[in-house]
Amino acid sequence: GQSLEQPSEVTAVEGAIVQINCTYQTSGFYGLSWYQQHDGGAPTFLSYNALDGLEETGRFSSFLSRSDSYGYLLLQELQMKDSASYFCAVPRNTGFQKLVFGTGTRLLVSP
Amino acid sequence: NAGVTQTPKFRVLKTGQSMTLLCAQDMNHEYMYWYRQDPGMGLRLIHYSVGEGTTAKGEVPDGYNVSRLKKQNFLLGLESAAPSQTSVYFCASSTGLAGVPDTQYFGPGTRLTVL
Repeated sequence: GQSLEQPSEVTAVEGAIVQINCTYQTSGFYGLSWYQQHDGGAPTFLSYNALDGLEETGRFSSFLSRSDSYGYLLLQELQMKDSASYFCAVPRNTGFQKLVFGTGTRLLVSP
Repeated sequence: NAGVTQTPKFRVLKTGQSMTLLCAQDMNHEYMYWYRQDPGMGLRLIHYSVGEGTTAKGEVPDGYNVSRLKKQNFLLGLESAAPSQTSVYFCASSTGLAGVPDTQYFGPGTRLTVL
């Protein structure tokens, strides 16, 4: 089966940079996704890495190292609205479209 | 374009009662999913569908049934609700394109409390 580990909570201040780590265990690997969820809201897709390296989308970047079974989400120039939970996810072995989600990292951004 | 919608948004049930949660999507997606989210547990897959008329079990299917009679709708049923089913339920959909994990689009969720 698959399992993912993320820190439960990370705190930072406005304007700072924060990194949210995710380590995974899978028998096969088909990419790592990240989703954001604000309190009371729905998860929304942020990024996907299939290959090693850094993918950048505005203030957010996502990194993957397949040899280390490790990835991270990097948030730059933090804003109060970035306070949310962030989930990493990998496809289940039985199908690309079905995801296994980590338990999530709650990011608290303070002024 | 409403995306993924869910009804109802909130519901309180007594143990043993039944109910149906409705999910609808207007993006012509093939794949649809039902998840439950509990504190500290992340999102867990209950059932999913890879097309109209098909359903399959996910990670935590016990106590739930689903139906996908129309491509745009995916129903989740609780035949005899139990307090352990108190949770937030999310529906999601995706295109189902072969070979590549694709983006899942989530509905706003249904908060269910079973007393």
